[in-house]
Amino acid sequence: DAGVIQSPRHEVTEMGQEVTLRCKPISGHNSLFWYRQTMMRGLELLIYFNNNVPIDDSGMPEDRFSAKMPNASFSTLKIQPSEPRDSAVYFCASSGGRGRAQHFGDGTRLSIL
Amino acid sequence: AQTVTQSQPEMSVQEAETVTLSCTYDTSESDYYLFWYKQPPSRQMILVIRQEAYKQQNATENRFSVNFQKAAKSFSLKISDSQLGDAAMYFCAWEGSGGSNYKLTFGKGTLLTVNP
Repeated sequence: DAGVIQSPRHEVTEMGQEVTLRCKPISGHNSLFWYRQTMMRGLELLIYFNNNVPIDDSGMPEDRFSAKMPNASFSTLKIQPSEPRDSAVYFCASSGGRGRAQHFGDGTRLSIL
Repeated sequence: AQTVTQSQPEMSVQEAETVTLSCTYDTSESDYYLFWYKQPPSRQMILVIRQEAYKQQNATENRFSVNFQKAAKSFSLKISDSQLGDAAMYFCAWEGSGGSNYKLTFGKGTLLTVNP
């Protein structure tokens, strides 16, 4: 079975540009999570969805960040405008419910110049 | 707020030896789940082992086992017969059982080096 699929794997762009990260969760999983990982702050939960509905977005750093889940098989995380401090690895994960392990995608390494 | 503490930023072990990684957590809940994840240099986050708090029996997955002490709020990971491929960052994580909150709370990680 296919795991969580993220794209792109790497993204390098200049500050001020819009960045869109994409995620396809595992089929049948009803929870989807976006994380950011940096050396300084470790792994941070940005937002998560349950049945396509955002449940907790308290980790979204500021209004420049937005996330959508238009259907059960697709989610996006958008940064507009991007800043150098947004450089990090962004992970998407999905899970089949409480107590079920979260399965992570391979991450997107984002570099904002 | 729930917290997860991994007190060992780095650990090292000789190949074929056994190593134990520590994890403690703070919660007032009685029903919850605990996980260990592994992140090798390839940066994938890989589930190693899962424990349900209401189960007394310690989880085991091949060379990986846990020592779950609920009263002490401790959840250590033991790796037996360590292999070079075990070298990675290891994260302990906690998930509560209340409401619709499926969030994982992660520790800051322990970097494990395996020496040949």
